Amino acid sequence: NAGVTQTPKFQVLKTGQSMTLQCAQDMNHEYMSWYRQDPGMGLRLIHYSVGAGITDQGEVPNGYNVSRSTTEDFPLRLLSAAPSQTSVYFCASRSGGSAGTQYFGPGTRLTVL
Amino acid sequence: EDKVVQSPLSLVVHEGDTVTLNCSYEVTNFRSLLWYKQEKKAPTFLFMLTSSGIEKKSGRLSSILDKKELFSILNITATQTGDSAVYLCAPAGGTSYGKLTFGQGTILTVHP
Repeated sequence: NAGVTQTPKFQVLKTGQSMTLQCAQDMNHEYMSWYRQDPGMGLRLIHYSVGAGITDQGEVPNGYNVSRSTTEDFPLRLLSAAPSQTSVYFCASRSGGSAGTQYFGPGTRLTVL
Repeated sequence: EDKVVQSPLSLVVHEGDTVTLNCSYEVTNFRSLLWYKQEKKAPTFLFMLTSSGIEKKSGRLSSILDKKELFSILNITATQTGDSAVYLCAPAGGTSYGKLTFGQGTILTVHP
């Protein structure tokens, strides 16, 4: 199993550009999430999904869209990048619902100029 | 609003010391609490705790949960330089999804 994979590892955008961060998992997990991590702020939940076709907002959803058309994939879209979105982004997936362990992807370091 | 407070925020020790990291929480519909270790990459899973008073152990690391007092501790004995990392706690609560709320982490530095 590859676990949770994310692409790209690094990305530099200009303000106003859009892009999609890719996330895939091969563990057949129902639950997938996107977090951003900023210095001194810990991990903050952006969006999450409890299954294909079902998504919901987390703590900091503004400026981001998600969709979940398959169990495996959960892409995160930045509609119009802003410098405030400079961060490290982690995708995670989880088995067993609320009693399950959550596994993280390797992260994407995004810089918005 | 769910709340997680970890203490201390940072800790500097020497190899061989024992450390105790604290995590207090307030989450609705508490379900479980997870501990992670983060070096300069993605967090890696350490423990999941669901029951009060039952210690989980993995080598030199152990953790326990107190659901009445709403806290958990992570102990590391005989610390090594490889234990240097950020330690994150994350209680799961809310809906059946069990949304994780992360604390800000404790930065542990172990000097030789």
